[in-house]
Amino acid sequence: DVKVTQSSRYLVKRTGEKVFLECVQDMDHENMFWYRQDPGLGLRLIYFSYDVKMKEKGDIPEGYSVSREKKERFSLILESASTNQTSMYLCASGEAGRLTGELFFGEGSRLTVL
Amino acid sequence: GESVGLHLPTLSVQEGDNSIINCAYSNSASDYFIWYKQESGKGPQFIIDIRSNMDKRQGQRVTVLLNKTVKHLSLQIAATQPGDSAVYFCAEQRTLETTGANNLFFGTGTRLTVIP
Repeated sequence: DVKVTQSSRYLVKRTGEKVFLECVQDMDHENMFWYRQDPGLGLRLIYFSYDVKMKEKGDIPEGYSVSREKKERFSLILESASTNQTSMYLCASGEAGRLTGELFFGEGSRLTVL
Repeated sequence: GESVGLHLPTLSVQEGDNSIINCAYSNSASDYFIWYKQESGKGPQFIIDIRSNMDKRQGQRVTVLLNKTVKHLSLQIAATQPGDSAVYFCAEQRTLETTGANNLFFGTGTRLTVIP
C-alpha cells in the first residue's frame, strides 16, 4: 500500500518556538506538497517541491519554510510559531507531469500554538 | 480573482438517495479536475478525475460532470450510503509557467451527511 507518513499527529507548541513537521513518502514521487486546512477555507497550499532541493511558494508561504534534501522527505519549518499558525497541516505527494494530478495525502498533523 | 469551489458548505441526504455536490471554477484555461473525499481524522483521498476534453466520467457509484461553458463541475453519488459521509473537495490542477511544475488548488469543501 502506498504511504505518506507525517511524523506527528498532534503537537502543542508555544509562541516563538521553532517547529518541524516531517513528511516521508514511499512511492518515489517527484512532487511533494504542504497544505494547511482550516474550517471554511479548505486546503491552502503553503509550499511544494518538484525535485530534490527545489521548492516553490504556494498561496500562503509567509511564516513558513521547507526543506527537501532527499526525494522521499519533505519538511515544513515554522521558524517562530505564532497562534495564527494553529491549524491542520497536510503533506501530499504525487507524480510529475501534467494531467497526473492525483495526490496521496498523509493523515495530517494538528498543530496548536499557545 | 481566481477561485475554485463555490460550494454549499453542507449537504444532507437520506440513505439510498442520490447526492449531487457542486463546484464552480473561474479559470477557463483549467484542463484537469479532481474530486477528493476526506473522512474524519484522515487525509483527503482521490475519488475521480476528469480532463477538460471530457464532459462526463463515471466510476463506481460516482459520476463527475464538467460544464466548461459555465465553468461548473459536479460530483454525483448514486445510492448514497452512511460511509459516504465526509467532506468532499474539488481541486483544479495549475501549472507554473516558469517551471512547468504542477500543483492542485482546492475548493473550500462540502460536508455531506447521510441520514440513515
